[in-house]
Amino acid sequence: KAGVTQTPRYLIKTRGQQVTLSCSPISGHRSVSWYQQTPGQGLQFLFEYFSETQRNKGNFPGRFSGRQFSNSRSEMNVSTLELGDSALYLCASSLVRNTDTQYFGPGTRLTVL
Amino acid sequence: DQQVKQNSPSLSVQEGRISILNCDYTNSMFDYFLWYKKYPAEGPTFLISISSIKDKNEDGRFTVFLNKSAKHLSLHIVPSQPGDSAVYFCAALKQGGSEKLVFGKGTKLTVNP
Repeated sequence: KAGVTQTPRYLIKTRGQQVTLSCSPISGHRSVSWYQQTPGQGLQFLFEYFSETQRNKGNFPGRFSGRQFSNSRSEMNVSTLELGDSALYLCASSLVRNTDTQYFGPGTRLTVL
Repeated sequence: DQQVKQNSPSLSVQEGRISILNCDYTNSMFDYFLWYKKYPAEGPTFLISISSIKDKNEDGRFTVFLNKSAKHLSLHIVPSQPGDSAVYFCAALKQGGSEKLVFGKGTKLTVNP
């Protein structure tokens, strides 16, 4: 079956702009988690969605938000972009719980100029 | 604070030899541990996991050892193959708790032919 897909794969924005990233989970998976990967901090948990509700949240400012649709697809939004938001944003899906094996997408590489 | 630490940013081994990747954690509430492997331009892939009720879990060439008293786990790859060259992330969580996966910063393994 098809894996986790993320669009777009690459994105270049300027400071102050906003961006929306999209994630389509594996069919049948209902939990979607988002992570930020940077060279200095590694993989950091942003938030998890299940049944269109945010179930868990990491320690990121309110500029980072997300949502999940009824078909389990998820979007992540970052407003008022800062240079430090440049990172690889990874989406992972799992069957029901965040503790089930997570399957990651290839990520969206965001560059903020 | 870094609750999951991978103190070696990189490791280089010869093909056919053993690779040992180490991970330390500080939160004694963690009771489930996972290893993920990541190739460039791809998302992390689940490799192997271990529950705190065990001290060893084996899957083919991959074995994870857990020393709860030392809050230390290690991943052994025997024999190492060039295709194992990747970044390896250690992750931990408390089941039934906040269910947030906490990742280490990763160790880049290079297996030389």
